[in-house]
Amino acid sequence: QSVLTQPPSVSAAPGQKVTISCSGSSSNIGNNHVSWYQQLPGTAPKLLIYDNDNRPSGIPDRFSGSKSGTSATLGITGLQTGDEADYYCGTWDSSLSSGVFGGGTKLTVL
Amino acid sequence: QVQVQESGPGLVKPSETLSVTCTVSGGSISRYSWTWFRQPAGKGLEWIGRINTSGSTNYNPSLKSRVTLSIDTSKNQFSLQLSSVTAADTAVYYCASPVAVGGHWGQGTLVTVSS
Repeated sequence: QSVLTQPPSVSAAPGQKVTISCSGSSSNIGNNHVSWYQQLPGTAPKLLIYDNDNRPSGIPDRFSGSKSGTSATLGITGLQTGDEADYYCGTWDSSLSSGVFGGGTKLTVL
Repeated sequence: QVQVQESGPGLVKPSETLSVTCTVSGGSISRYSWTWFRQPAGKGLEWIGRINTSGSTNYNPSLKSRVTLSIDTSKNQFSLQLSSVTAADTAVYYCASPVAVGGHWGQGTLVTVSS
């Protein structure tokens, strides 16, 4: 059972937009920054978004992040088949004094 | 840019101690906090712990009694030890650089616990 809650799967057609939600509590998302990670099949995770809505160098602006209260959202526009991957949200939990993740969301581009 | 690379034993026997090392290149380890994660096959990511260059650590409560992180600034390396391992500790172990220097993850090292 993950501390953060994500939908197990989402899907959309190429060119469309998709959002992935991440729900937590005041001890984690509510008072800490959220990161998002992309894990393509058979590869290591890659940092996609940090500090809620910032993209590392090299990450296209098709990827965006937002946070409101105890929830965060990853948005991906102009979907490509190469975006098919597992996406994870992560943050710090002040009560646990530990990093925590969501269970991951599998994105299928139909 | 800062890169990280894990190295590990591949196979560890039950009840023994697992040791994995992360080597940092392209920059100095002498700042920030450095983090360990793991991922069992077909499952999600798990945060193991982090260490800074002062030696201060935070551990996942579920692993805290068995985990020890260390850092060697002279070698630009940081390490993970997990004691009393069982088959449930079989996973790909990843290290990652801090976001401030790119947040890059290593390719991971598979550690299998089996007799």
